[in-house]
Amino acid sequence: AQTVTQSQPEMSVQEAETVTLSCTYDTSENNYYLFWYKQPPSRQMILVIRQEAYKQQNATENRFSVNFQKAAKSFSLKISDSQLGDTAMYFCAFILDSNYQLIWGAGTKLIIKP
Amino acid sequence: SQTIHQWPATLVQPVGSPLSLECTVEGTSNPNLYWYRQAAGRGLQLLFYSVGIGQISSEVPQNLSASRPQDRQFILSSKKLLLSDSGFYLCAWSVGTPNRPQHFGDGTRLSIL
Repeated sequence: AQTVTQSQPEMSVQEAETVTLSCTYDTSENNYYLFWYKQPPSRQMILVIRQEAYKQQNATENRFSVNFQKAAKSFSLKISDSQLGDTAMYFCAFILDSNYQLIWGAGTKLIIKP
Repeated sequence: SQTIHQWPATLVQPVGSPLSLECTVEGTSNPNLYWYRQAAGRGLQLLFYSVGIGQISSEVPQNLSASRPQDRQFILSSKKLLLSDSGFYLCAWSVGTPNRPQHFGDGTRLSIL
């Protein structure tokens, strides 16, 4: 069965610091896609970043980047120069290439302190 | 640009009453549509998805049902709500292959009394 594990229920850092959120997953398939979503207190789920498993290059989106280690089945999210608006729940998820079901982790609550 | 509308934002219903949550997408054709439920402090659980009009796939057996009467309209229903149906319901859309990103509505907070 496919699973996603986020081992950090909650994290807090000072504004402008760098923070890394961890995510590990389990699948026996080879073709899949990985995502990080954020859910601020407003509750809207927002896509942060997407990574294709067949690409070795780590995806980046402005201050957000990932460290994708396929052999270790690890997909961590790094947020640089953190801002107060980054305060949110962050969810890691993956989907198999031939499947419509996103598999979600339980989330990490990230608090950015002023 | 594409937008997704989901309503109502908040709903309080008694046990045993019916339910109808509606979701519409604008700015795209033939989207894939999804209904999720999120328990407090947890990730999302996929309830239903649809790849076309009249095509509904159910991922979790429950007393909920879904329908897609129009290309960009997705409805979540129940004939009799249970206490366990309380939660946060999210509608989402994507286009193309399943690996494309899903985009979410603002959600409906459903409380069953």
